[in-house]
Amino acid sequence: QLLESGGGLAQPGGSLRLSCVGSAFPFNNFAINWVRQAPGKGLEWVSRISGFSGRTFYPESVKGRLSVSRDTSKNSVFLQMNSLTAEDTAMYYCAKEDDSGSYIDKWGQGILVTV
Amino acid sequence: QIVLTQPSSASASLGASVKLTCTLSSRHTNYDIAWHQHQPQKGPRFLMKLNNDGTFKKGDGIPDRFSGSSSGTERFLIISSLQSEDEADYYCQTWSTGPIVFGGGTKLTVL
Repeated sequence: QLLESGGGLAQPGGSLRLSCVGSAFPFNNFAINWVRQAPGKGLEWVSRISGFSGRTFYPESVKGRLSVSRDTSKNSVFLQMNSLTAEDTAMYYCAKEDDSGSYIDKWGQGILVTV
Repeated sequence: QIVLTQPSSASASLGASVKLTCTLSSRHTNYDIAWHQHQPQKGPRFLMKLNNDGTFKKGDGIPDRFSGSSSGTERFLIISSLQSEDEADYYCQTWSTGPIVFGGGTKLTVL
């Protein structure tokens, strides 16, 4: 129900844009997060876009380099990643929150980004 | 700032039970959390939302073997009748206005 795309190999300093397409539920009703897992590490939250307002949130570690947006007509959310470094190498997961806008209740299969 | 602390590893025998712990930072004792399972080569899987009063709501298709409980700042995931497929990383997750917070994860080994 959540399908990521757009990953692959990028050069240091380069950019990449990930996409997440959802089915069975409208994205403008639910917050969508991007969560990544670097090799040998745990899950790290990297962005969130609220359902109704479209307000965005980021941890300090990626603020200014990663940007989340959405196209509700296509039920899609995007993660624009700029100024990539080797530390951005990870599996990136799209994750939907429940309708109360709190916990994650659905995950995508993930997409690999290698810098 | 909310912090979730998990032991890095746990182990239990096939058919036995195991209780995984997630500890909230002391100022956040009333927070609810969610538990997620992450098996190798798969996307994570939502297991349950666990409230601070110990009640929980599981995701679709999660077996009865999985349950939760709470005590003070501690949130527990209990897995009974352990099966080989339960060998995975388990993460707790909470939230505030905006950011999402994950614990460091516990790697569960089924012996």
